[in-house]
Amino acid sequence: IAGITQAPTSQILAAGRRMTLRCTQDMRHNAMYWYRQDLGLGLRLIHYSNTAGTTGKGEVPDGYSVSRANTDDFPLTLASAVPSQTSVYFCASSWDDTDTQYFGPGTRLTVL
Amino acid sequence: GQNIDQPTEMTATEGAIVQINCTYQTSGFNGLFWYQQHAGEAPTFLSYNVLDGLEEKGRFSSFLSRSKGYSYLLLKELQMKDSASYLCAVMDSNYQLIWGAGTKLIIKP
Repeated sequence: IAGITQAPTSQILAAGRRMTLRCTQDMRHNAMYWYRQDLGLGLRLIHYSNTAGTTGKGEVPDGYSVSRANTDDFPLTLASAVPSQTSVYFCASSWDDTDTQYFGPGTRLTVL
Repeated sequence: GQNIDQPTEMTATEGAIVQINCTYQTSGFNGLFWYQQHAGEAPTFLSYNVLDGLEEKGRFSSFLSRSKGYSYLLLKELQMKDSASYLCAVMDSNYQLIWGAGTKLIIKP
């Protein structure tokens, strides 16, 4: 792996289903982030983690949860998907919370 | 509240120069970032300014005035591959990035 990977690339999901978006980085970055990007809006922070074992809430955390069991992985879980969670989701990482963020390729999620 | 403003869309001609402006009002300031995002792809880092003045990097330059809450990205010798959205983001006092909605740049031959 080189950089950040996300899976799946895209997904269509029925409302009410549970879904986990995966994110893995191999740059040994301490900080990781989940954003959603919607047409006409800036990227919005969902959750973040400044180091393994810690997480924090961003601007739009409701309906989402994260975990950071190790440095490399930062999965995002939708416990019960709703149509308003239809979006493009980007994972990003940085050396620390003050540094430049680098983005994964994104997951396009559609909730019907 | 925190706010980042940038034009929604701009059009320029191949070979020309274009300036994309960004104004911001945020809780604290720990630097301003510019990213490029091609359609259907991830944002990629272009530049970072934390002190007033101009930072030049090849065909791209970025300027910052902290007293005015203003930045611009200058693209010279435009190429068709520069057609993309350009995102302005400010790192606030909590070290979180606040993002503008992006400026879609259309390059015409």
